[in-house]
Amino acid sequence: NAGVTQTPKFRILKIGQSMTLQCTQDMNHNYMYWYRQDPGMGLKLIYYSVGAGITDKGEVPNGYNVSRSTTEDFPLRLELAAPSQTSVYFCASVIGTGGNTIYFGEGSWLTVV
Amino acid sequence: ILNVEQSPQSLHVQEGDSTNFTCSFPSSNFYALHWYRWETAKSPEALFVMTLNGDEKKKGRISATLNTKEGYSYLYIKGSQPEDSATYLCAFWNSGYALNFGKGTSLLVTP
Repeated sequence: NAGVTQTPKFRILKIGQSMTLQCTQDMNHNYMYWYRQDPGMGLKLIYYSVGAGITDKGEVPNGYNVSRSTTEDFPLRLELAAPSQTSVYFCASVIGTGGNTIYFGEGSWLTVV
Repeated sequence: ILNVEQSPQSLHVQEGDSTNFTCSFPSSNFYALHWYRWETAKSPEALFVMTLNGDEKKKGRISATLNTKEGYSYLYIKGSQPEDSATYLCAFWNSGYALNFGKGTSLLVTP
């Protein structure tokens, strides 16, 4: 069972470069999320989507963009990478609202130098 | 932004000790409370999802309780083992579309 798959696992970017973190889930979940985890901080919501074609900003959206063209895929785009975007990124999905288990990908470690 | 507070921030216990952590959350517009176990380099693993006031859930040596009226949840680990070492995350879901996470409690269990 694949669950939530995100790539790449590790990446080093130079300041000003752009990249896309890929996320795909095979559970036919409606809701998908991108969180970032910084040392000593909880998971902060970057963007979320409640279905194909629908996305919305979370708590820390600046410097990121997302799209949701299919139910399965929810890529996160970093434009003009900055050192402040050095973090661990998690993609997650859930079938519906909060009473259901949310499934996470294994994380993407991004360093911007 | 909904504040979810977890305490303690970190904990170091000996193998065999029992321990507990606290999660505080807003008591209004409650929908669900989640507990996750997260080991570095792995994905957070769901432990419990609780929705009803007074809920008590158990999974092996780990259990959790929920008080939605006063806005807190406790996670208990009985007879801690080194493999229990991880960060335990609490997350709150209200009437919105996403979980709001606390900063986590980092547990270290030494033999």
